[in-house]
Amino acid sequence: NAGVMQNPRHLVRRRGQEARLRCSPMKGHSHVYWYRQLPEEGLKFMVYLQKENIIDESGMPKERFSAEFPKEGPSILRIQQVVRGDSAAYFCASGGQVDTEAFFGQGTRLTVV
Amino acid sequence: SQQGEEDPQALSIQEGENATMNCSYKTSINNLQWYRQNSGRGLVHLILIRSNEREKHSGRLRVTLDTSKKSSSLLITASRAADTASYFCATDFAGNNRKLIWGLGTSLAVNP
Repeated sequence: NAGVMQNPRHLVRRRGQEARLRCSPMKGHSHVYWYRQLPEEGLKFMVYLQKENIIDESGMPKERFSAEFPKEGPSILRIQQVVRGDSAAYFCASGGQVDTEAFFGQGTRLTVV
Repeated sequence: SQQGEEDPQALSIQEGENATMNCSYKTSINNLQWYRQNSGRGLVHLILIRSNEREKHSGRLRVTLDTSKKSSSLLITASRAADTASYFCATDFAGNNRKLIWGLGTSLAVNP
């Protein structure tokens, strides 16, 4: 049973380009969470999705950021027109039933140059 | 802010010693989870303690939860150099759509 898979592991984008981060949850998990971690900081919640539904996007910046979790395929975190401040590690986690641990992927490290 | 707070921010000990890290939070929780993160790597889940539990053990790890004080502690006994990492507590707040709220972490260095 593969764990949570994120790709790419490292992504370099120039300012103004788009970044697409992918996350495949663990088999049998229908909940996906995206978090962002800035250097030397803890994780900040961004968005919580179930298949085809955004449940909670209270942590998402109002502009340029979007997330989806389609019926088929991985969850996608999309950042349009990236800026240097978007440089961070983006982690995806998946979970099953309520009140159980979330399992994290290895993260995607985005660098905006 | 609902963010948990760990203390100390950084801890340096010798191999074989015990390491204790604390976490405080602000509102009612469903559960509290501890994670480890090695430098530049992903997060590894260590232990989950539910709001109706007071203590849990897993190998060399011991976690306590005091809901009256809204605090938790993580004890690593007989530490090893391989325990060097950052340790985070994450709280699953009651009625919070299951999203985890994270502290800033404790950076643990275990010296051989």
